[in-house]
Amino acid sequence: QITLKESGPTLVKPTQTLTLTCTFSGFSLITGGVAVGWIRQPPGKALEWLAVIYGDDDKRYSPSLKSRLTITKDTSKNQVVLTMTNMDPVDTATYYCTHRLRRTFDPWGQGTLVTVSS
Amino acid sequence: QSALTQPPSASGSPGQSVTISCTGTSSDVGGYNYVSWYQQHPGKAPKLMIYEVSKRPSGVPDRFSGSKSGNTASLTVSGLQGEDEADYYCSSYAGTNNYVFGTGTKVTVL
Repeated sequence: QITLKESGPTLVKPTQTLTLTCTFSGFSLITGGVAVGWIRQPPGKALEWLAVIYGDDDKRYSPSLKSRLTITKDTSKNQVVLTMTNMDPVDTATYYCTHRLRRTFDPWGQGTLVTVSS
Repeated sequence: QSALTQPPSASGSPGQSVTISCTGTSSDVGGYNYVSWYQQHPGKAPKLMIYEVSKRPSGVPDRFSGSKSGNTASLTVSGLQGEDEADYYCSSYAGTNNYVFGTGTKVTVL
């Protein structure tokens, strides 16, 4: 059974850097084709794809946020870390990590709400 | 890349069918057979309902079906049930390992 869980701060100040950790089980991020992605959802709004990292360490980012995002993995800990710089109140959202296989995202973590406010 | 376009809302009575559209471009929906649909109940994480345009994961009722024509994908929910009331999002592969989501559709069971 595949499970994922996000962890990180619930509140960050504007201009700060957000660091979120996804801890997963039930699969290995060294298998070809397997990846972990990050997706966010502002309150009451739509889902937005942020980034994905593959077992071969290939990394892809949303073009609109690429300059602010970094995704890394620690295979020994079964963790994926997403950092987002220069946080702004518009970045307030629930951030989800998800397992990706065959170009679809399934399953998803429970999500973590991050509020950006001074 | 721009978000895929979905109608904001759709509704139907129990037992009826509802179809949700998801319109993109030839760079995403029209270019690949990698359209997925997700169901999201309030306060919950999205759940995969359809992948690769029309395939259902194990455990998803066959009342849910997907299709695609050109740059538009569709999700049909037949025999609507109260538990189907939720938000639905489409997603498409957009090339070079990029992805794009739809604007979301709220389905109401009347």
